[in-house]
Amino acid sequence: SQQGEEDPQALSIQEGENATMNCSYKTSINNLQWYRQNSGRGLVHLILIRSNEREKHSGRLRVTLDTSKKSSSLLITASRAADTASYFCATDVNPGGFKTIFGAGTRLFVKA
Amino acid sequence: DVKVTQSSRYLVKRTGEKVFLECVQDMDHENMFWYRQDPGLGLRLIYFSYDVKMKEKGDIPEGYSVSREKKERFSLILESASTNQTSMYLCASSPDFPREPGGELFFGEGSRLTVL
Repeated sequence: SQQGEEDPQALSIQEGENATMNCSYKTSINNLQWYRQNSGRGLVHLILIRSNEREKHSGRLRVTLDTSKKSSSLLITASRAADTASYFCATDVNPGGFKTIFGAGTRLFVKA
Repeated sequence: DVKVTQSSRYLVKRTGEKVFLECVQDMDHENMFWYRQDPGLGLRLIYFSYDVKMKEKGDIPEGYSVSREKKERFSLILESASTNQTSMYLCASSPDFPREPGGELFFGEGSRLTVL
């Protein structure tokens, strides 16, 4: 069963624009993570936000978490062609601990 | 840097064959995971292990088994491959034991399996 679901499924923007991806989940969580995957490669961890945090920044990335709405968003500012990839949110269900559940991902295409 | 190595990037097997997918990590991580990834379905957890010789079923364990004889190695076994097991298989590991909830996962590059 999928815990997280990303929206939109696909997003196409121009270089320099901001990209926003959303994630909704179903059950109580310990924290939420965002990962990136280049085509045909493994996933790379981007950022983790804990359930008691509301916002976190890392470089051009900004993540928000609203536990009352069971949702998160990932904002990539001033996007670059190299940001073209799939982005996944992932949650560790609470209780449960060991299982990290991924959504279906958002495919981002940044046009140069 | 943490390195998770999957032995085969691409495999082609025939229906009914026994298939081994090997994964090795070099950072002494306690936790290891096998996911499969299919278009539109994201990553689905097959099995995971939080210690040597320990294994736990994920969400889709049917048709698969695993082996963890050594801490650094976690193998996924398809006893009798079927066409619906054609997929990308991703191995991951994470530190912390007792496992810190939500610890970062480190992924291998994936093994793309085609079953004919």
